[in-house]
Amino acid sequence: EDKVVQSPLSLVVHEGDTVTLNCSYEVTNFRSLLWYKQEKKAPTFLFMLTSSGIEKKSGRLSSILDKKELSSILNITATQTGDSAIYLCAAGPNAGGTSYGKLTFGQGTILTVHP
Amino acid sequence: NAGVTQTPKFQVLKTGQSMTLQCAQDMNHEYMSWYRQDPGMGLRLIHYSVGAGITDQGEVPNGYNVSRSTTEDFPLRLLSAAPSQTSVYFCASSSRGVGYNEQFFGPGTRLTVL
Repeated sequence: EDKVVQSPLSLVVHEGDTVTLNCSYEVTNFRSLLWYKQEKKAPTFLFMLTSSGIEKKSGRLSSILDKKELSSILNITATQTGDSAIYLCAAGPNAGGTSYGKLTFGQGTILTVHP
Repeated sequence: NAGVTQTPKFQVLKTGQSMTLQCAQDMNHEYMSWYRQDPGMGLRLIHYSVGAGITDQGEVPNGYNVSRSTTEDFPLRLLSAAPSQTSVYFCASSSRGVGYNEQFFGPGTRLTVL
């Protein structure tokens, strides 16, 4: 059974701090690792990491995929109150067969950034 | 493009009632899926479809039915609502193109079963 585990489950920091969120996965025919941000509504896409793109960066957010360790981290530097959200990690399989879009999600990390 | 739309936004049911949550997308995506989200449990896959006429079960399919008669629509039916089905339901879609694992989510339906 496919599994994705995130840690920590919750995190409270102050503005300006740097945080690292962790995600480990066990997915049959793994192809990609995705990160989403969720703020009281639908998840919004942040990054997708595959074997051809194991490091992504956008502003203060960056993510790395470690295919050997079957894990990924999401870093947020100089956190702001607007970063407060649930961060979801998901892993998806390869294109073969009928499960190409099937994502397995982790439990999420609740990040709270205080001013 | 409206993207992925869901109706209703909120719904309250009594135990034993049935209802259908609607989901539609206008991006011509082949893949559509339904998730439920409960506190501390992330998103759990209920049912998914890789194209019209093809559906399959996800992690938590019991008590739910789906069908996919068109590419655009993927309704989720609750056959006989139970309090354990109180949750937020998200519909999502993705394509077979580049970045196909990226799923686009609808705004969600918050369901309460009394």
